[in-house]
Amino acid sequence: GQNIDQPTEMTATEGAIVQINCTYQTSGFNGLFWYQQHAGEAPTFLSYNVLDGLEEKGRFSSFLSRSKGYSYLLLKELQMKDSASYLCAVETYSGAGSYQLTFGKGTKLSVIP
Amino acid sequence: NAGVTQTPKFRVLKTGQSMTLLCAQDMNHEYMYWYRQDPGMGLRLIHYSVGEGTTAKGEVPDGYNVSRLKKQNFLLGLESAAPSQTSVYFCASSYRDRVGNTIYFGEGSWLTVV
Repeated sequence: GQNIDQPTEMTATEGAIVQINCTYQTSGFNGLFWYQQHAGEAPTFLSYNVLDGLEEKGRFSSFLSRSKGYSYLLLKELQMKDSASYLCAVETYSGAGSYQLTFGKGTKLSVIP
Repeated sequence: NAGVTQTPKFRVLKTGQSMTLLCAQDMNHEYMYWYRQDPGMGLRLIHYSVGEGTTAKGEVPDGYNVSRLKKQNFLLGLESAAPSQTSVYFCASSYRDRVGNTIYFGEGSWLTVV
């Protein structure tokens, strides 16, 4: 099975930088996603990493190390609207065109003034 | 520009009742999924489908059945609802490209079983 760990909660100050870590143990690894979910809403796609390294997209960056089973999401210049849950999700491939996405429990980020 | 649409959005059921959640997508996606989300548990995959006429079990399939008779629709059925099935249910669909398997979620269905 899959095992995905990320911190339950984090607090950071407006304008600061925060790093949300995710570690995973899985078989058939095919990529790692980060999603943002505001309370009462559906998750929305933030980033996707399949190769080792850093992917930058505006204020958000995501890093992956496949050998270490480790990823992080970096949020810069934090804004109040960034207060949300951030979900790490691992995609696996089990053959015959069957892909699955397994989510971690999410990290609730609170941005304070 | 509907994307993924779920109905109903809210429902209260009595224990033992049955119901069906409907998911419809207009993006011609092959893959469709049903997740449930509970406090402290994250999103857990119930069932999924890799194409019309196919279904497969996910992480927590017990107590649920699904059907994918048409490519655009994915139905989730509860034959005999239990309080443990009180949850928020998210349907999703996806396609594969060079970015990977990009998933689009519906807005969620809040189900309470009393």
